[in-house]
Amino acid sequence: DAGVTQSPTHLIKTRGQHVTLRCSPISGHKSVSWYQQVLGQGPQFIFQYYEKEERGRGNFPDRFSARQFPNYSSELNVNALLLGDSALYLCASSPTGNTEAFFGQGTRLTVV
Amino acid sequence: KNQVEQSPQSLIILEGKNCTLQCNYTVSPFSNLRWYKQDTGRGPVSLTIMTFSENTKSNGRYTATLDADTKQSSLHITASQLSDSASYICVVTTLNYGQNFVFGPGTRLSVLP
Repeated sequence: DAGVTQSPTHLIKTRGQHVTLRCSPISGHKSVSWYQQVLGQGPQFIFQYYEKEERGRGNFPDRFSARQFPNYSSELNVNALLLGDSALYLCASSPTGNTEAFFGQGTRLTVV
Repeated sequence: KNQVEQSPQSLIILEGKNCTLQCNYTVSPFSNLRWYKQDTGRGPVSLTIMTFSENTKSNGRYTATLDADTKQSSLHITASQLSDSASYICVVTTLNYGQNFVFGPGTRLSVLP
């Protein structure tokens, strides 16, 4: 079984641009969560989706949006990128959302 | 407010030595507590998971303890190796609808030869 896969692994964007990050959960897992991790800090919760519905949203501006597809994969979209959006974006997969989370390797986003 | 705190913020030890990392939480309702190891720039990898009724759980050289009464957990690393250098993150799962996983800030461990 493949683990959680995220793409791309690295990305460089300029301020004001838009970015889409992708996550494929472990087969059979119906919940996907997104986290932003700035260097030297713990992950900060952005969104959780379960069965294609948003279950929770962290304290992030409306520039951040996400969705989950019928195959349970997910996209995180960030509009009007700021320098402060530079971070490691982590996707976590879990069967139901409140059991053990399995993380992907992350997407390293650099905004210049 | 659901919160997880960890100490120390960073730790430097010599190879072969033992160390203990601490985690305090104020998360309710509590479901389970996990310790993750995160290498720089990589996703976290689970080390142990403990439910309310478990006091101690081991995974090789890693031993986690949980005191649900005082809401404290520790991660003890025995006979440290250079490859143990990483951030160790304590994560508490709540049964609340929405953000189910509450992360601590992590402890950065450096093991020197």
